[in-house]
Amino acid sequence: DAGVTQSPTHLIKTRGQHVTLRCSPISGHKSVSWYQQVLGQGPQFIFQYYEKEERGRGNFPDRFSARQFPNYSSELNVNALLLGDSALYLCASSLYAGQPQHFGDGTRLSIL
Amino acid sequence: RKEVEQDPGPFNVPEGATVAFNCTYSNSASQSFFWYRQDCRKEPKLLMSVYSSGNEDGRFTAQLNRASQYISLLIRDSKLSDSATYLCVVNKDDYKLSFGAGTTVTVRA
Repeated sequence: DAGVTQSPTHLIKTRGQHVTLRCSPISGHKSVSWYQQVLGQGPQFIFQYYEKEERGRGNFPDRFSARQFPNYSSELNVNALLLGDSALYLCASSLYAGQPQHFGDGTRLSIL
Repeated sequence: RKEVEQDPGPFNVPEGATVAFNCTYSNSASQSFFWYRQDCRKEPKLLMSVYSSGNEDGRFTAQLNRASQYISLLIRDSKLSDSATYLCVVNKDDYKLSFGAGTTVTVRA
């Protein structure tokens, strides 16, 4: 069975641009979460979606938004990119909210 | 105060040694606990859940002390393949995982 898949794997953008990252959860998983991980730190929670509704939001500015589609896949959007947005963006899915989460390989975003 | 704090290490140990490390969490209402491992430039992978009574998975033993709000991981008979960063993870709500910054373990031949 396929695990969590994310696209693209790498992305280079410039300041001020916007980006859309995509995630497909493990088949049957209804909960998708997004995390940002900068070098030397643990992942930081951005959003969780469950059954297409936002269940939680971390301490990130409004430039970050997300949504979940009827097939439970998800997109993370970041507007007005800043240099500090350079990070590994991880998507994780779980069967239900509160269950152990399984991570995709991540999208490595570099802002120039 | 950070929600989850870990000793960053690194712990450098020879093959076959036992290594143990802790993490502390700040929110006493935390409900579930996990250890993840992360290899360099890879995604975190679930190592094990941590239960109140303590639990083992092969060479790995996890303990939870709710009164003192810490979690421990012990690795016995270390292998070269155990070299990784170990992330302590706490779930306060149903939706949000809070990660520590990780403890780096290097096992040398």
